Amino acid sequence: DQQVKQNSPSLSVQEGRISILNCDYTNSMFDYFLWYKKYPAEGPTFLISISSIKDKNEDGRFTVFLNKSAKHLSLLIVPSQPGDSAVYFCAAINNNNDMRFGAGTRLTVKP
Amino acid sequence: DSGVTQTPKHLITATGQRVTLRCSPRSGDLSVYWYQQSLDQGLQFLIQYYNGEERAKGNILERFSAQQFPDLHSELNLSSLELGDSALYFCASSRDRLEDEQFFGPGTRLTVL
Repeated sequence: DQQVKQNSPSLSVQEGRISILNCDYTNSMFDYFLWYKKYPAEGPTFLISISSIKDKNEDGRFTVFLNKSAKHLSLLIVPSQPGDSAVYFCAAINNNNDMRFGAGTRLTVKP
Repeated sequence: DSGVTQTPKHLITATGQRVTLRCSPRSGDLSVYWYQQSLDQGLQFLIQYYNGEERAKGNILERFSAQQFPDLHSELNLSSLELGDSALYFCASSRDRLEDEQFFGPGTRLTVL
């Protein structure tokens, strides 16, 4: 039962370029979405979130876009830096306090 | 350093056994969350406690239980352990809601042999 999917297990980009990480969901009851970053041997770290009443949220180099009709969200990192190399998880929450995570995308930013 | 502590860091045990994982939330946070990350699955939300009361339940097995104590620390109890329970178990804390920014601990790696 994969209600949140990250179809790209890995992504490699050049330093200074745009990283685009994608996430799809199937349950239209999800109304809040989050992105977490995880380095090896550490717990996940919150990056950015978006409510379903918005279609865009920005925080510094990180922007999340939400397309409700397509049940799709994207995380953009501009510009990408080598320190951004990590696994990125998207997560979705519904109004029943059910939280689901995608399987993660491993981002590698090459100098 | 997220301010969330988890003990122990590593745990090795045998099938059928019972273990307890411990978590201390960030100062001021009332909510504690437990997550499981296994090799073949991503992060799975298990359960949330808020100020001592269970508030949200995810994919937590009946063999697993949790509680949050008056000092707000939390314990996750795993019993009748199976090989498939081998995973990283993360605890996180936040001020209140699931949507609030959660701060994760470093995790407890459980190996069931």
